[in-house]
Amino acid sequence: NAGVTQTPKFQVLKTGQSMTLQCAQDMNHEYMSWYRQDPGMGLRLIHYSVGAGITDQGEVPNGYNVSRSTTEDFPLRLLSAAPSQTSVYFCASSYSRDSSSPLHFGNGTRLTVT
Amino acid sequence: AQKVTQVQTEISVVEKEDVTLDCVYETRDTTYYLFWYKQPPSGELVFLIRRNSFDEQNEISGRYSWNFQKSTSSFNFTITASQVVDSAVYFCALSSGGSNYKLTFGKGTLLTVNP
Repeated sequence: NAGVTQTPKFQVLKTGQSMTLQCAQDMNHEYMSWYRQDPGMGLRLIHYSVGAGITDQGEVPNGYNVSRSTTEDFPLRLLSAAPSQTSVYFCASSYSRDSSSPLHFGNGTRLTVT
Repeated sequence: AQKVTQVQTEISVVEKEDVTLDCVYETRDTTYYLFWYKQPPSGELVFLIRRNSFDEQNEISGRYSWNFQKSTSSFNFTITASQVVDSAVYFCALSSGGSNYKLTFGKGTLLTVNP
């Protein structure tokens, strides 16, 4: 099992550019989510999905879109990158949406927007 | 609203010392889960432990132990005989109502274990 795979590991964008951060899991997990990690802020939830075709907003959704066409994949799209989106992004999944299932994290994507 | 406060922002110890990371939480729910995650310098996040609100038993796993006290809303993490490999950022997290999309992380405690 590869677990949760995120690509790319690093990315530099110019302001206004768009891009997609990829996330895939091979554990047949129902729940998937995206977090951003900023210094001194902990992890904040951007978007989440409780199953294929179902997504919802988290704490900091502005500037990001997601979709969940398959159980395995949960890409995060930056529509028009801004310097405030410079961050480390983590994708996480769990067997169910229930908190009895702990999150499994990918290795993160470090994004810099200039 | 729920909140997680990790009391120490940074801790520095010398190898073999014991160290405790304090976590205080706030929630109005009676059903909730508490977690600790470890983020070593390589950057990945690793699940360490989960506790539900109905189970106040302390837990020990090797050199790691966790003390959950509902009376003080605390879920503290102790490393006994610390090692350099324990150097990491440790996150405490709370999920109220039992849903992962209601998971709130603390801001993390950076633990540095010096040889």
